[in-house]
Amino acid sequence: SQQGEEDPQALSIQEGENATMNCSYKTSINNLQWYRQNSGRGLVHLILIRSNEREKHSGRLRVTLDTSKKSSSLLITASRAADTASYFCATGVRGGNKLTFGTGTQLKVEL
Amino acid sequence: EAGVAQSPRYKIIEKRQSVAFWCNPISGHATLYWYQQILGQGPKLLIQFQNNGVVDDSQLPKDRFSAERLKGVDSTLKIQPAKLEDSAVYLCASSLEPVRETQYFGPGTRLLVL
Repeated sequence: SQQGEEDPQALSIQEGENATMNCSYKTSINNLQWYRQNSGRGLVHLILIRSNEREKHSGRLRVTLDTSKKSSSLLITASRAADTASYFCATGVRGGNKLTFGTGTQLKVEL
Repeated sequence: EAGVAQSPRYKIIEKRQSVAFWCNPISGHATLYWYQQILGQGPKLLIQFQNNGVVDDSQLPKDRFSAERLKGVDSTLKIQPAKLEDSAVYLCASSLEPVRETQYFGPGTRLLVL
């Protein structure tokens, strides 16, 4: 079963704009991760945030986590055409590294 | 460092036929996962191995799906007999240890069952 749900399902922006996608989940987690999937290819890990962290940065990526609301957001600043992909959040629970993926957000960055 | 290798990349079969997928994880990665990703959905874990032992196969349809990881390195996932609803991308991933949460994914095998 899917643990997380991403919102929006699809997002289209112009190059240079910021893109924000959200993830909501249902149960207590140990960590939350974001992955990117280009068309027809495997998933690439982007960033991991632990349950005791509230914000994390990596290059043009900023992730926030609100465990009280069971939600996370991924912000991509100054987007590029190469950022066009599907983005998935995945939650990990304590005691193992089984990941449960959300439904994904399809991001399209237009020139 | 070589990534996770999977083969074949594409497979088309008819329903009731059998099919097998192969995965070679990143060298030294003890944990191996097989996921099923249906079009428009996120990946769903089918089975997780720690070395050559099964950690979690709760979502594996055991009446038709089987997987093994002999010698704790390569792994094969088999479907027998295939159904139309098995059409999906089958992703293999590996991680260094259970406590290293980042998973590294292969390119996947796209299966079409006619």
